[in-house]
Amino acid sequence: AQSVTQLDSQVPVFEEAPVELRCNYSSSVSVYLFWYVQYPNQGLQLLLKYLSGSTLVKGINGFEAEFNKSQTSFHLRKPSVHISDTAEYFCAVSPQVSQKVTFGTGTKLQVIP
Amino acid sequence: DVKVTQSSRYLVKRTGEKVFLECVQDMDHENMFWYRQDPGLGLRLIYFSYDVKMKEKGDIPEGYSVSREKKERFSLILESASTNQTSMYLCASSFRGSYTDTQYFGPGTRLTVL
Repeated sequence: AQSVTQLDSQVPVFEEAPVELRCNYSSSVSVYLFWYVQYPNQGLQLLLKYLSGSTLVKGINGFEAEFNKSQTSFHLRKPSVHISDTAEYFCAVSPQVSQKVTFGTGTKLQVIP
Repeated sequence: DVKVTQSSRYLVKRTGEKVFLECVQDMDHENMFWYRQDPGLGLRLIYFSYDVKMKEKGDIPEGYSVSREKKERFSLILESASTNQTSMYLCASSFRGSYTDTQYFGPGTRLTVL
């Protein structure tokens, strides 16, 4: 079985400042890693995913994440946030032999003008 | 553009009622999923389906059942609704061909059981 930990339930940050949302996972098998975003009153949509290859993954809206196997982490970063980035962000993990995705508890990013 | 639609955005039901939540996708996806989302708990998988008439239990199937009679439609059924089933319910779909495929989500149904 796998699990995902998002330690920060809320992250306030000023507009144009950088942000990092933390995600750690545990699994006994190799996994794929995902970040999804949920804007207010909407469903989730994919930001980016790590499948293999380069450990730095670039996604939509200027976000990127780095896979660190030794630390079992997949932190999400953006160098300069906008008001429109205010949303809840979910880290997720899926075993490489299954479509069963396990989601973290989410981090609410609040961008302050 | 993939579209996943859910029959209702908001639903209010009484304890003991039978409740149907419908989900339809238009991209010929084989996989469909039902999650519930609760504050502080994230998304938890209730049931998923790999094909028509096929289903597998997720992490929290108790009190729920599902039906998949057509490829595009996946229904979640609460046989006898209880107040602890008040939640946001999210449907998702994905291609079966690869384990790397993205899940596409509907907008959610916020269910309140009184």
